[in-house]
Parts: sequence; structure tokens; C-alpha cells
Amino acid sequence: DTGVSQDPRHKITKRGQNVTFRCDPISEHNRLYWYRQTLGQGPEFLTYFQNEAQLEKSRLLSDRFSAERPKGSFSTLEIQRTEQGDSAMYLCASSQGLAGDETQYFGPGTRLLVL
Amino acid sequence: LAKTTQPISMDSYEGQEVNITCSHNNIATNDYITWYQQFPSQGPRFIIQGYKTKVTNEVASLFIPADRKSSTLSLPRVSLSDTAVYYCLVEGRRALTFGSGTRLQVQP
Repeated sequence: DTGVSQDPRHKITKRGQNVTFRCDPISEHNRLYWYRQTLGQGPEFLTYFQNEAQLEKSRLLSDRFSAERPKGSFSTLEIQRTEQGDSAMYLCASSQGLAGDETQYFGPGTRLLVL
Repeated sequence: LAKTTQPISMDSYEGQEVNITCSHNNIATNDYITWYQQFPSQGPRFIIQGYKTKVTNEVASLFIPADRKSSTLSLPRVSLSDTAVYYCLVEGRRALTFGSGTRLQVQP
């Protein structure tokens, strides 16, 4: 257990529905990252936050994907109008964001299945 | 945008030393090199991180040549529980890129 938690761990939804995932990072960590991982591939970076500021979002897969971190603590990732191709593991990670210590600690992931 | 290249798979036996090399030709000056281990249905787990030369911790060593265009993760004496996928990550402020991963299979 790294101290990063994600909820839910599994989500099954029908195509066209909206889903929201939550990530709670390690409490003193400033940076929070979202990744997507499909079977047999490495994690694919989506976006990251420095405190409440979203500093990189150009990698979000489409405008159906959005992420927030309103108070600089937990974060949510929302997928609107889900498609079958969105089926994947969604991983969250956090780091202190200090020069010399960029170590990212990953949560267990949320596995999404779109039917 | 740094892109990493690793062998797709490696096989080893218990007790052997395993070296996995990652190429990152376009690494930027501020980028760190980090290796992660991942078991099925789990998030990646941090193994080791370095910027240059050699770094060692209780589980692995990381060798980085002067030009930093590659790095080698060394696992000293592997056991069956080291069977996993190993990822090389080059970290920058905007581009966070995992390698394709190396699937290590440790045999008894």
C-alpha cells in the first residue's frame, strides 16, 4: 500500500454513460497524475496537477475527458459519453514535486469496462 | 519528448543477476530516470531513481553513463517474486513517458 487510494476499484458501465473516478493522494504530496493503461501496454500519461492547478492537459484523450483537483487534495477524472475504447485501467499517482525527488507513488487503479 | 526503448522480455533463473537496459536518446537536461515494477492488476511500484552515474538502494542499482542516453537497472539476485513488468520512466515537467516495459520471467 503506497498511501494513494482510488475509488472505485472496478466500474462497469454502458456505452454513453458518464463515469467519475476519485483519487486521494498521499497527504503532503503537491503533484497528482492521471494515467491510462490498456492491456499489455505501459501507463499512458493523461494529465497532472501541481496543487489545484492543472499544468498539463494536452494529453487528455479527447474533450470527453476532464479532471479536477479543486482544493489541491483529492482529484476526480470524469469520462463523458463513454465508449468501448475507454475500457482500461485508470491509474493515479502522486509525488512531492520537489527537485531531486520526483518519485511518483501509484494507487491500485480503477478498472473500467464499457459494455 | 523523451521516448524510451526497452527489451520486450527477458528470462532468468533464481539467484542470477539481471540487467535491463533502457534507451532514452532525447532525454532533457532536467529529466530524471526512474524505474518501476508492476505486477498484474496493480499500480506500478517505484524501484529506483537517478540522474547520473550510479545509484544503489536495498533492492537494485541504476547505472547511467555520462551522456545519459541510456540507463541500466540491475537486480542483484532475482527470485520468483521478481517476475513482473519493469518500466523505465524519463520524467520531465511536461512529458511523462513510460517505456514499453520489459517482462521479466524468473524461473526456478
